[in-house]
This record gives sequence, structure tokens and C-alpha cells, in this order.
Amino acid sequence: QTVVTQEPSLTVSPGGTVTLTCASNTGAVTSDYYPNWFLQKPGQTPRALVYSTSNKHSWTPARFSGSLLGGKAALTLSGVQPEDEADYYCLLWYGGAWVFGGGTRLTVL
Amino acid sequence: EVQLVESGGGFVKPGESLRLSCAASGITFSDAWMSWVRQAPGKGLEWVARIKSKTYGETIDYAAPVKGRFTISRDDSKNMLFLQMNSLKTEDAALYYCTSHFDYWGQGTLVSVSS
Repeated sequence: QTVVTQEPSLTVSPGGTVTLTCASNTGAVTSDYYPNWFLQKPGQTPRALVYSTSNKHSWTPARFSGSLLGGKAALTLSGVQPEDEADYYCLLWYGGAWVFGGGTRLTVL
Repeated sequence: EVQLVESGGGFVKPGESLRLSCAASGITFSDAWMSWVRQAPGKGLEWVARIKSKTYGETIDYAAPVKGRFTISRDDSKNMLFLQMNSLKTEDAALYYCTSHFDYWGQGTLVSVSS
């Protein structure tokens, strides 16, 4: 069974930098997994942030960036704002199925 | 403005069926690869199914838990996406989202399954 693992929770101070990661139990995550990242605030619809590892949507704030880091997909937030507090999900392609990670709850404190 | 509007959710008993619909506007629907994603109350996101555009053969993929019970389809003439859900189980209860390329998302339609 394919499992995609994210940090359950992270805390960051306003103005700080934080990196969220997305790992696969099948091995290193590469660009062939087309990593996507989403943000979801309580009671709201998910919002796409990054696709295909590092590509941003027109609405994605510049402080968000996607990459591959140490065999994982990564989402880095630089200059964190209070409104970045949310649940973050990664999504990986396994050549026949997409699989979401369990999500990271980011607290800005 | 892109709009994806889901409908068809409701309360059913285990073993029963439901058909979800998603009406799309503001996108070139015929070119869009469409997916259904669900979220059980208080839980994370779970991909359910994806249908490619006609240009890509309307290729379909399903998540393992729904394969053989759910059927995704599309009607490009009406800009509509569908999800036929048969043999529903209690674990299928969730908010079902329709999404285009995972870029745009609807507000979801709620499916409850209980005896």
C-alpha cells in the first residue's frame, strides 16, 4: 500500500521560514511524481499552491516555493504571515493513481 | 470566473447508490482533466478518480478503495462531470469535491452513509 507521509504539525513564528516535506514509502520522490501542494483553511475548499514540483499558480504568493529536498518533495514558506496558518497537503502521482499525504497543520505563533 | 458546482449528495444506507454531478463554467471543459476528491469529516483529502480529456482518450483511473464500485464519466456537450457510486459503504461518507487539473475546486457535496 502506497503511503505518503507529511509532518503532522509544525509551528513557525511570523516572518520566519519553514519547510514542509512529503515522503513516499516507495522510495525517493522525484519530478516523475509531479508533486502538488495545497492549502486548506478550516471550513474552506482546498486551494492549489504548487504543481509539478515547483511551478506556482498565478495566485500563489511569492513566499511559497516548491522543490525536491533529500528524496522528498518540499514546500518552503519564507517570511510567514499569520494568514498562512492552515492545513497543507501534498499530492503525488504513482502512474495510475494520485495519493495525498496526510497533511501538515501549520501553526503561526 | 471559474465555477465548479457539485450536486447529488445525500443520505443513503450501506449498499445503496448515489450519482454526483459537477457543473463547470469558466474553463474549457473539453480540455480539462477532471478529478473527484473526497474528505471525510475531520480527516484529510483522498483522491477518488480522474478522467482525462477526449484528446487523451478519456483515460480513467480510480483509487483502490472505490475501484469496481464507482464510475467517473463526463459529458463535454454539457460541461458536466459525474460520479456514479454503487454499493456505498459507511467509509465512503465524505464531502466530495470536483476539481479541474487540481487547479480549481468546487465547494463540495456531502455524502452520508449510515444504517
